[in-house]
Amino acid sequence: GAVVSQHPSRVICKSGTSVKIECRSLDFQATTMFWYRQFPKQSLMLMATSNEGSKATYEQGVEKDKFLINHASLTLSTLTVTSAHPEDSSFYICSARLSSYEQYFGPGTRLTVT
Amino acid sequence: KQEVTQIPAALSVPEGENLVLNCSFTDSAIYNLQWFRQDPGKGLTSLLLIQSSQREQTSGRLNASLDKSSGRSTLYIAASQPGDSATYLCAVVDYGQNFVFGPGTRLSVLP
Repeated sequence: GAVVSQHPSRVICKSGTSVKIECRSLDFQATTMFWYRQFPKQSLMLMATSNEGSKATYEQGVEKDKFLINHASLTLSTLTVTSAHPEDSSFYICSARLSSYEQYFGPGTRLTVT
Repeated sequence: KQEVTQIPAALSVPEGENLVLNCSFTDSAIYNLQWFRQDPGKGLTSLLLIQSSQREQTSGRLNASLDKSSGRSTLYIAASQPGDSATYLCAVVDYGQNFVFGPGTRLSVLP
């Protein structure tokens, strides 16, 4: 089946620094990727839709200047959390669309901001 | 706006029991419904996908049903095992290709 990877799997950073998370579709091309955030014991909430070659579309309440998304190729989308704060600590999961209505999810990245 | 709820929030059962997890959604205009498993600190594993035109899907000890008109889906797990312990998420996919996830049911199967 289709595989989506994320790197890193865990990251700890200091408050005020920026951290980049990569999402790759390993065996298929994805013009659209999605970024979700999951707080402890809560479900996944869509943050933004990443479109290859164009600007990402952000969900209401998600700051586009804080969560920078770059979808530079058909197999890679990156999420950069700028000036991270402890409240940004969360589990970030990406997914990649293989075809209409078919998405594959990455293993997630645990971000801890100290 | 689509809202997805899951009951119970947590469930603990002894090994071998059959169990049912429930998922409800408010907007019946869905394209499909999917059940996922999530282990602690891990990503999602797809379990079953039910198209809106289908009533149920089966995979091994898992059976998922869908009643679109009433906005309900159930995931039935037969002969539960400790390895089934995880959080189970249901997600509805609308015709805009948006995934909306429920809050999940945390299942513990005790040996």
